[in-house]
Amino acid sequence: EPEVTQTPSHQVTQMGQEVILRCVPISNHLYFYWYRQILGQKVEFLVSFYNNEISEKSEIFDDQFSVERPDGSNFTLKIRSTKLEDSAMYFCANGAATSTDTQYFGPGTRLTVL
Amino acid sequence: AQSVTQPDIHITVSEGASLELRCNYSYGATPYLFWYVQSPGQGLQLLLKYFSGDTLVQGIKGFEAEFKRSQSSFNLRKPSVHWSDAAEYFCAVGGTGGTSYGKLTFGQGTILTVHP
Repeated sequence: EPEVTQTPSHQVTQMGQEVILRCVPISNHLYFYWYRQILGQKVEFLVSFYNNEISEKSEIFDDQFSVERPDGSNFTLKIRSTKLEDSAMYFCANGAATSTDTQYFGPGTRLTVL
Repeated sequence: AQSVTQPDIHITVSEGASLELRCNYSYGATPYLFWYVQSPGQGLQLLLKYFSGDTLVQGIKGFEAEFKRSQSSFNLRKPSVHWSDAAEYFCAVGGTGGTSYGKLTFGQGTILTVHP
C-alpha cells in the first residue's frame, strides 16, 4: 500500500508558539488533506488542498492555520499561535486522481500544547 | 450536512467469533463510504470502500461491508475474528455532493477487543 509519512511524530510546544507539521506525500498523488483527532473524539476534517490552493476548509481552520507545498513536494500545516485546544493528533492524507479516490493516511503527529 | 454514527463505542468478542460493526450515515447525495482501521500508534488504514455497483464489498484482512441505502447503513462484518483484529474501526462518508472536494466525515469509532 502507498505510504504517507509525517514529521515529527510528536511535537510539544508552548502556548502562543508557531508549529509546522510536515507531510511527505505519495508520488503523483495530488489531493492533500489535513485531519485532526482530539483525544477521545472523532477524526475531524480541517482542509483539502489541490492544485496549490485550498479546495475546502472546515470552520476549525481559521486564520491561525495555513497550508502550503513550499518545495512542490512536502505538504505542511502551520499553526501560527498555538492554543491549548490545538492539542490533538494531526493526520495528513493523500489521494490520487480525483477527490473521491482513496485517501491514504499518514501515521499522524501528536501535538501537545502546554 | 453529512454525518456518521457508530452506535457501539466498544465491542468485545472472542477469537473465532463473528463480528459486525454498525455504521449509519446521513448524506444528501450519493455517498462514498469507507471503513478504516487504526492500530495503536498507527495511522488510518483503509479496509474497504463503496462507491457504486455491488452493495456487498470485500476488503482486506477478510472484512466485508454491505451498503443498504434504505437503512442508510454500511455495516462491517467478519466471519471469524483474529486476535490481531483488535483495533479501533472508523466508518467515514465522503462524496462530491455540493461543494465537497473529497472531505471525509468520520464516525466516533468503535474499539474492538478480542479475547483469546
